[in-house]
Amino acid sequence: AQRVTQPEKLLSVFKGAPVELKCNYSYSGSPELFWYVQYSRQRLQLLLRHISRESIKGFTADLNKGETSFHLKKPFAQEEDSAMYYCALTEAAGNKLTFGGGTRVLVKP
Amino acid sequence: NAGVTQTPKFQVLKTGQSMTLQCAQDMNHEYMSWYRQDPGMGLRLIHYSVGAGITDQGEVPNGYNVSRSTTEDFPLRLLSAAPSQTSVYFCASSRGLGSGNTIYFGEGSWLTVV
Repeated sequence: AQRVTQPEKLLSVFKGAPVELKCNYSYSGSPELFWYVQYSRQRLQLLLRHISRESIKGFTADLNKGETSFHLKKPFAQEEDSAMYYCALTEAAGNKLTFGGGTRVLVKP
Repeated sequence: NAGVTQTPKFQVLKTGQSMTLQCAQDMNHEYMSWYRQDPGMGLRLIHYSVGAGITDQGEVPNGYNVSRSTTEDFPLRLLSAAPSQTSVYFCASSRGLGSGNTIYFGEGSWLTVV
């Protein structure tokens, strides 16, 4: 069974400091990994996916198959980054998206 | 373009009552799903559908029924509400899962069972 773990429920950082959200997964096949973000009073939206290897809003995430991790990083956090972040996994061409428990990020001025 | 629309946004039910959460999408997406969001547990898949007439169970299907008679609509039914079903429910749709497919979420439905 696929499983996603986000060990930190809350991350509190100061504006301009680096932020890293941890995500570990367990899956025996070829997974596809995503990060979703939910800003206050907004719907959940896709932030980035590993297959695109892109940087969105200054965030990057690298899939490490050896460590089964997909940590999300941003070198300089901004106040508007305060939100709930979810790591998610699906098997390639699969039908089920499995979410981690979520990490709330609070960026203090 | 409305995207994914959920109704109602808020609902209070008494234990044992039944109700239906509505979900509609106007993007002609084949894949639709329902999740519940609980603190510390993230989003858990209840049921999903890969097309009209096809539904399947997710991680936490007990106490919920779904049907998919049209591509646009994917209602979630609670047959006999229980306090454990107090949660925020999200409907989502996409062309599919996997590379290149973006999942679009509704705004959520806050359900309280007393």
